[in-house]
Amino acid sequence: ETGVTQTPRHLVMGMTNKKSLKCEQHLGHNAMYWYKQSAKKPLELMFVYSLEERVENNSVPSRFSPECPNSSHLFLHLHTLQPEDSALYLCASSHGTAATNEKLFFGSGTQLSVL
Amino acid sequence: GQQVMQIPQYQHVQEGEDFTTYCNSSTTLSNIQWYKQRPGGHPVFLIQLVKSGEVKKQKRLTFQFGEAKKNSSLHITATQTTDVGTYFCAGPGQGAQKLVFGQGTRLTINP
Repeated sequence: ETGVTQTPRHLVMGMTNKKSLKCEQHLGHNAMYWYKQSAKKPLELMFVYSLEERVENNSVPSRFSPECPNSSHLFLHLHTLQPEDSALYLCASSHGTAATNEKLFFGSGTQLSVL
Repeated sequence: GQQVMQIPQYQHVQEGEDFTTYCNSSTTLSNIQWYKQRPGGHPVFLIQLVKSGEVKKQKRLTFQFGEAKKNSSLHITATQTTDVGTYFCAGPGQGAQKLVFGQGTRLTINP
């Protein structure tokens, strides 16, 4: 266990559904991240929260909406997704707020299928 | 934008053979990190290299950071079936919080 818990592990949703992914870290870290991992693409950074403030929004479509109510919890709200959004969504955390020299602790991911 | 290129994309070896994956950047990196993702799993941090020409070892794994800090390699000596997985390098991108990952090298092993 990495100390980063993601739920659900698997999710199947239709294009008109609304769902949320949840991430919780038990490490006392100050930064949390959402990454998208598709079959044929590198890990793509979606959002970064540092001390509960969003500091990076990597040109992600508005159908993905993050929420960070406190430093231990991170959500990704999904609505009107497209089939090409099917992927593994990984949450990560780091102790400090500068990811470029901090090691990331990843959760197990949510495997999302959009029908 | 900042890119980190990793080769090869796939590598299949016989158990006991050596394996190497290479990571190249178009710009100088302040540091580089390596992660391993087992099949069906999530990326797990292996190591971070910071100094020019740095070499670090973890048992059968040897990590190198190039003199110009633009490339890095991971070498596994005498692979075992437990080494199966995808190995990613990652370096700083644009923005303080952005870590850019390479495409990964997927290692499979014939026992």
